[in-house]
Amino acid sequence: DAKTTQPTSMDCAEGRAANLPCNHSTISGNEYVYWYRQIHSQGPQYIIHGLKNNETNEMASLIITEDRKSSTLILPHATLRDTAVYYCIVRVEWAGTASKLTFGTGTRLQVTL
Amino acid sequence: EAQVTQNPRYLITVTGKKLTVTCSQNMNHEYMSWYRQDPGLGLRQIYYSMNVEVTDKGDVPEGYKVSRKEKRNFPLILESPSPNQTSLYFCASSASDRRGFYEQYFGPGTRLTVT
Repeated sequence: DAKTTQPTSMDCAEGRAANLPCNHSTISGNEYVYWYRQIHSQGPQYIIHGLKNNETNEMASLIITEDRKSSTLILPHATLRDTAVYYCIVRVEWAGTASKLTFGTGTRLQVTL
Repeated sequence: EAQVTQNPRYLITVTGKKLTVTCSQNMNHEYMSWYRQDPGLGLRQIYYSMNVEVTDKGDVPEGYKVSRKEKRNFPLILESPSPNQTSLYFCASSASDRRGFYEQYFGPGTRLTVT
């Protein structure tokens, strides 16, 4: 799986958009970009994933650059409950990897009033 | 409600006293796994299972055992716990959806302290 680089921490004001960057310059053509988050020692939670097109769901948007070497997770209106560690993960999606996610150190997002 | 449950949630034990942490999922998932999380080291996979009676080692299997006799259950066994197994443990399960995507569902965690 390709390596990812994320800032250690970020702050965001409540109600504003939180933009979390991830660098994955060695990504392969068949590797997806995933985002999970972990709220204070709870089990990690899936947010969104994509291959090359931008994606949006009820939680967030994922913007992947055209060369796929970086991406940004956007939480459009951050709330205090979005305070968490956000993990960007890159991997091939097939049965052989179904059981495993390789977590890095992630970005600790602090949402403040 | 689709969920992964773990028991116990908190456990304090002594070195050498065998223990089992249970994990159960109600989503009929084929794939299950155990992770441990330690400060500065992130989440690391201990063991995983691709189906009933099929298990394999993850990145840090030493000191642990698992079994998968039923699809829904995947217990983690520490035959002789040691203080270096003090950690936060997560069970997870997954299965392919119609897009071929394996979203992982995590349990709430078990905080184990070995003295």
